[in-house]
Amino acid sequence: GIQVEQSPPDLILQEGANSTLRCNFSDSVNNLQWFHQNPWGQLINLFYIPSGTKQNGRLSATTVATERYSLLYISSSQTTDSGVYFCAATFQTGANNLFFGTGTRLTVIP
Amino acid sequence: DGGITQSPKYLFRKEGQNVTLSCEQNLNHDAMYWYRQDPGQGLRLIYYSQIVNDFQKGDIAEGYSVSREKKESFPLTVTSAQKNPTAFYLCASSFGETQYFGPGTRLLVL
Repeated sequence: GIQVEQSPPDLILQEGANSTLRCNFSDSVNNLQWFHQNPWGQLINLFYIPSGTKQNGRLSATTVATERYSLLYISSSQTTDSGVYFCAATFQTGANNLFFGTGTRLTVIP
Repeated sequence: DGGITQSPKYLFRKEGQNVTLSCEQNLNHDAMYWYRQDPGQGLRLIYYSQIVNDFQKGDIAEGYSVSREKKESFPLTVTSAQKNPTAFYLCASSFGETQYFGPGTRLLVL
């Protein structure tokens, strides 16, 4: 069946450190998004990235669709980066139902 | 102020009671979605609607019902048939591929 797997499940960083979060998916994706969920539950869209590389400030993401994975890079981490990072994908052209991974919980300590 | 609003923030349900969660958006988005999130888990799709007066079941639609009478509104009813309704419920809307989320409603069973 369709699977979206994220690693690591938990990550603790010292403020200022860099990190890489990984998302593997089981089939060809039509849509791949990265989200950040803050401690109050709000989900913020970080990237729409079905292929290629994008950067937004200290965050960047790369999706290699042919190898079925995506990476989210966080550089110079800050305490406000703490929360849960989800990747989500749609697997059928024209379908809008996102399948979510179980997330990576990031804790940045000062 | 543009965005997606959900109400109430917290909702308590008694045994055998139906409750309705509100989701409103003023982004002029055609598509709207309801997701359920259990502790430590990713989001799972309950229902989605791509256009007014039309909606489709997601992966976990049993025990839930929706309506889409207006473009701006997509209320979710949690019926008494849903035996384990305690969860965090998130509404989203999209124009194109990117989904944007509301702040969520936490439903608890008394």
